[in-house]
Amino acid sequence: GEDVEQSLFLSVREGDSSVINCTYTDSSSTYLYWYKQEPGAGLQLLTYIFSNMDMKQDQRLTVLLNKKDKHLSLRIADTQTGDSAIYFCAPGDGGSQGNLIFGKGTKLSVKP
Amino acid sequence: DTGVSQNPRHKITKRGQNVTFRCDPISEHNRLYWYRQTLGQGPEFLTYFQNEAQLEKSRLLSDRFSAERPKGSFSTLEIQRTEQGDSAMYLCASSLAGTVYGYTFGSGTRLTVV
Repeated sequence: GEDVEQSLFLSVREGDSSVINCTYTDSSSTYLYWYKQEPGAGLQLLTYIFSNMDMKQDQRLTVLLNKKDKHLSLRIADTQTGDSAIYFCAPGDGGSQGNLIFGKGTKLSVKP
Repeated sequence: DTGVSQNPRHKITKRGQNVTFRCDPISEHNRLYWYRQTLGQGPEFLTYFQNEAQLEKSRLLSDRFSAERPKGSFSTLEIQRTEQGDSAMYLCASSLAGTVYGYTFGSGTRLTVV
């Protein structure tokens, strides 16, 4: 089945850029999603990228996809303390396959 | 529509008791998913429904776990004879099949088995 790997921790200073990386195994994913989870809360959809794209920009967020290497990254520009959370990448197909597979997530800590 | 609603937010139960959680999805969403999340882990898929049909249930953790969505709207997840290892956050999500917008998650039900 699908396997998703992310580094567990990332610490940055406020105002710097953050880059969160993800590798996955299932090359059939049509869409790949990034979710954010704040303490004690459910997951919030941040952004997604279609598998035939290699980059998508959405305000402070930039998603890069290297389909050949099955590598996905999320860049957060001008990181703020409110960005501190756990970030999950989740390959999927937008619903027709049935379920998204999540890794353990990357805990982003932003220091003032 | 206020999003995906899960009740209760917290549940403390004694080992061996049965518990039931409820999820109310976004009204126009025809798909509903249940996930379990333990501390330090990502959400682990359990089961999902399209309308009232349960299309995948092989990932339910044991036969003590069951889920229903009788009228294709709200869903319930039941755990029978709870064990301490069942302590976790149970997340529900919904989506509209055929769209790209991923899932909308509820805030979860935190279960503590004592």
